[in-house]
Amino acid sequence: DTGVSQDPRHKITKRGQNVTFRCDPISEHNRLYWYRQTLGQGPEFLTYFQNEAQLEKSRLLSDRFSAERPKGSFSTLEIQRTEQGDSAMYLCASSLPDASSGNTIYFGEGSWLTVV
Amino acid sequence: GENVEQHPSTLSVQEGDSAVIKCTYSDSASNYFPWYKQELGKRPQLIIDIRSNVGEKKDQRIAVTLNKTAKHFSLHITETQPEDSAVYFCAVEPDDYKLSFGAGTTVTVRA
Repeated sequence: DTGVSQDPRHKITKRGQNVTFRCDPISEHNRLYWYRQTLGQGPEFLTYFQNEAQLEKSRLLSDRFSAERPKGSFSTLEIQRTEQGDSAMYLCASSLPDASSGNTIYFGEGSWLTVV
Repeated sequence: GENVEQHPSTLSVQEGDSAVIKCTYSDSASNYFPWYKQELGKRPQLIIDIRSNVGEKKDQRIAVTLNKTAKHFSLHITETQPEDSAVYFCAVEPDDYKLSFGAGTTVTVRA
């Protein structure tokens, strides 16, 4: 499967613990995105990278959240001191903007986080 | 930020009938409008998209229409089948890099 892959797919953690999610984008895609989705809602933008540079962070991304893409390939999203409100599905996506076809974004299967 | 409203939130149709979902947006500078289908526990999958230089695009049983003046666009599914049952999300790209999504429409196709 050459799509966007995420790990782990499911994570249950106790409040206050730290969690880290990994995303491997489609090969050669230079843009990588993190979105969050809660039940009954559409995905909400968190942050994105162009190669290794993090170019924008949503105000939804509190100081407890940090994302990295050190070599411009895979990315990690860490949540420190988790809270119950962090329970959601964290979606990674990637794209390769093209002048003719635009910026089609492809999503991974998501990482479900449950904070108990 | 971009405000995207999607209606209806739920839609039940008889197999073989058509389904129509409508979205409105606020940022007139938006120029890319994709639709995603998400089955339970699965990733959102792009099913069709349209750019602002065209008014309509069709792919087999799925079509999207865009009215930039009125700032709305619609998804049309004809001859619905049970496998069309899913949550559908419209999205708008107000900037060059991120999508703003609607709240989704749960489509149920009754056999």
